[in-house]
Amino acid sequence: QTVVTQEPSFSVSPGGTVTFTCGLSSGSVSTDYYPSWYQQTPGQTPRTLMYNTNTRSSGVPDRFSGSILGNKAALTVTGAQADDECDYYCVLYLGSGIWVFGGGTKLTVL
Amino acid sequence: EVQLVESGGGSVQPGGSLRLSCAASGFTFRSYWMQWVRQAPGKGLVWVSRINSDGSTTSYADSVKGRFTIFRDNAKKTQYLQMNSLSAEDTAVYYCAAGLGHAFDMWGQGTMVTVSA
Repeated sequence: QTVVTQEPSFSVSPGGTVTFTCGLSSGSVSTDYYPSWYQQTPGQTPRTLMYNTNTRSSGVPDRFSGSILGNKAALTVTGAQADDECDYYCVLYLGSGIWVFGGGTKLTVL
Repeated sequence: EVQLVESGGGSVQPGGSLRLSCAASGFTFRSYWMQWVRQAPGKGLVWVSRINSDGSTTSYADSVKGRFTIFRDNAKKTQYLQMNSLSAEDTAVYYCAAGLGHAFDMWGQGTMVTVSA
């Protein structure tokens, strides 16, 4: 069974930069997996941040950027702000109509 | 305004069934793939199922295959998730999502399903 891996948590100072990664338990992530990223405050609906690796969703500031770093997908947040503190999820398309979410990364801004 | 509104959640006993609905408005429903994603209390997002734009192709996570059925009515701009043989592990908020490509572009507010004796 394919597992999508994410860091459980990250801490960043206000104004700092943080990079979340999204990997596979077996193999490398490429653009062929159409990595996308979602932001969720506990108890709220997820918000789409990034799709097709590096395309920002409408209204998402350019402080958020997506890429492939090595063998993983990555989401970088520059100039971190207090309201960036929430959970971040990646999801990969495995083909044949199957998607798998990562376990999510909890970001603390302090 | 784009909206996805889920309904049909509630409490059910183990082994029971529920049908969730997701009513869409504000976009061309018939052009979009539709998905269901769930989130157990305090846990992460989990992909459940997807249906293509004309309803001819469906896919499911292994955890629900054979028990859940996704379908849609493009004339009513609504998708559904029929859930049978429910167990406590199915307890979650169920989100409806829509996308044109391989992402989840739009999300509903979610509906809570609780499976408990």
